[in-house]
Amino acid sequence: SQQGEEDPQALSIQEGENATMNCSYKTSINNLQWYRQNSGRGLVHLILIRSNEREKHSGRLRVTLDTSKKSSSLLITASRAADTASYFCATDAVGTSYDKVIFGPGTSLSVIP
Amino acid sequence: GAVVSQHPSWVICKSGTSVKIECRSLDFQATTMFWYRQFPKQSLMLMATSNEGSKATYEQGVEKDKFLINHASLTLSTLTVTSAHPEDSSFYICSIPGGVGFYNEQFFGPGTRLTVL
Repeated sequence: SQQGEEDPQALSIQEGENATMNCSYKTSINNLQWYRQNSGRGLVHLILIRSNEREKHSGRLRVTLDTSKKSSSLLITASRAADTASYFCATDAVGTSYDKVIFGPGTSLSVIP
Repeated sequence: GAVVSQHPSWVICKSGTSVKIECRSLDFQATTMFWYRQFPKQSLMLMATSNEGSKATYEQGVEKDKFLINHASLTLSTLTVTSAHPEDSSFYICSIPGGVGFYNEQFFGPGTRLTVL
């Protein structure tokens, strides 16, 4: 099963522009995570935000979390061609196994040089 | 974090044969490992939770007799796709939870691409 939706499903931008991806989920959570996947590869963990946090930064990444709306956003600033990948949010669910996470459908990002 | 390997990285087999995929934790003892399946241009779907020393827990809709999971040790879990058919062709990925110390960050293997002819 999947938690919710991500939008947009696909995003194409010019190098240097900012990219914003959104994720919605259905149940109460402990944490929300963002991952990147290059085509045909495994996943790379980008950032984790806890349910009691509202915003978190890591380099060019900025993640926000709005638990009242059950949504999160990932902002990549000053995008580079190397940022081209699929991005997924993943959430656990309060009341289930602490370790178990469910992935959203993902956003495919293309950064054009 | 944990370093996770998978073997093989890709495999092609004939319809009706069985294929075993290994997931190893190289530097982390894992009582739990997760197996995901990913079809092209889709997200990861959790298939099952592999538990060391006990039976795996399967997600709804996943056939446990078709996808056999064995968690032989704290560093190895195997997924066997039995009597594989073309619709089983997919990218199979395992992960290890980092646990409380890593705020539940998941550490992923590089994946195994299975093609069933």
